[in-house]
Amino acid sequence: AQSVTQPDIHITVSEGASLELRCNYSYGATPYLFWYVQSPGQGLQLLLKYFSGDTLVQGIKGFEAEFKRSQSSFNLRKPSVHWSDAAEYFCAVARANFGNEKLTFGTGTRLTIIP
Amino acid sequence: GAGVSQSPSNKVTEKGKDVELRCDPISGHTALYWYRQSLGQGLEFLIYFQGNSAPDKSGLPSDRFSAERTGGSVSTLTIQRTQQEDSAVYLCASSLVMGQGIYNEQFFGPGTRLTVL
Repeated sequence: AQSVTQPDIHITVSEGASLELRCNYSYGATPYLFWYVQSPGQGLQLLLKYFSGDTLVQGIKGFEAEFKRSQSSFNLRKPSVHWSDAAEYFCAVARANFGNEKLTFGTGTRLTIIP
Repeated sequence: GAGVSQSPSNKVTEKGKDVELRCDPISGHTALYWYRQSLGQGLEFLIYFQGNSAPDKSGLPSDRFSAERTGGSVSTLTIQRTQQEDSAVYLCASSLVMGQGIYNEQFFGPGTRLTVL
């Protein structure tokens, strides 16, 4: 079965600083990979996804993520964070080529932005 | 509204009572998912519907949990004889079905916060 590890429970960064959130997965092949964001009291919103091809993917709100097969990682980055980026971020995987099916989530990383 | 809606937004119940949580998917989305978000367990998959059938119910934690979907639209998650450990946010998501082997984005609702006293 697939699993996802987000080693950082809570990260604090200054507004305008760069950000990297870590995600490692365990799966027998290359899965589909996702990053979601959850703002307080809100549902989950998809930031970006990787299915195949270019290993650097661009998402919404200025986020990008890089898939590294050798490290089984899919880290999320942003060059300059804004106060509105404060939220909880979840990495998720789904089995590739199985069509619609469940997402397996990491435990999340809470991002705090300080002025 | 165009998004996934869930009701109620909050539910407080006493231990031992039954509760029903409702999910209205995006119109035209034939795939529907239930997830649970709790402090101890994170975000966990519960059950997946394709139309009115549930090909994957592997995440239901016990036989106290059941779900149904009628008319290929609205879904109800029922928890019988609630326990304190059932306290969580229950999230629903829906997606299109575009063809075999094709993955379609899941769109999430705002969730129902369940508190069992």
